[in-house]
Amino acid sequence: DTEVTQTPKHLVMGMTNKKSLKCEQHMGHRAMYWYKQKAKKPPELMFVYSYEKLSINESVPSRFSPECPNSSLLNLHLHALQPEDSALYLCASSQGYDRESEQFFGPGTRLTVL
Amino acid sequence: SQQGEEDPQALSIQEGENATMNCSYKTSINNLQWYRQNSGRGLVHLILIRSNEREKHSGRLRVTLDTSKKSSSLLITASRAADTASYFCATGWGTGFQKLVFGTGTRLLVSP
Repeated sequence: DTEVTQTPKHLVMGMTNKKSLKCEQHMGHRAMYWYKQKAKKPPELMFVYSYEKLSINESVPSRFSPECPNSSLLNLHLHALQPEDSALYLCASSQGYDRESEQFFGPGTRLTVL
Repeated sequence: SQQGEEDPQALSIQEGENATMNCSYKTSINNLQWYRQNSGRGLVHLILIRSNEREKHSGRLRVTLDTSKKSSSLLITASRAADTASYFCATGWGTGFQKLVFGTGTRLLVSP
């Protein structure tokens, strides 16, 4: 299985809602990532988990809260978002700390904040 | 910002023609990777070239890397309509753990 899955595909939420994005991989990868991508822009790194521990937080606002319950699963909890947070949220995974790791991406969750 | 710049921003060609995209970056790198993204979807890894390599091939793809100029190019030969996508270079850097920073992207349109 060389696939990264993400649910839901689309999410519409109000600014007072709490929602979660889910990402799963079964490739035995030990590093998992969250990226945010605005329209016609490149993906921007948000968080990196390695061996289920948060390794990198790219100064992301606290209304985004990542969680890695196990080596296959990565969640992104959303609370009190702003309309400017509307974007495509991409999850990726890679073999690990390898300096030459290829990242495998999921199809993304398109988030709209009203 | 570590972000790389790609040019052209958009490229429109006919099937069978070659497409060349260029990427420039700012800092020392471990490697440079190219990814493809179909409209609004996830990214697909195309090829990785190490910092000590100058050229690499994979099928119809040819990538070059010039670390002295901090630049790379991606050539797609004999393009097909299915190659229509956005193409991003991504520089891998960092010690101990690699971060990927994506370039601005080139939108390629291949017409039948």
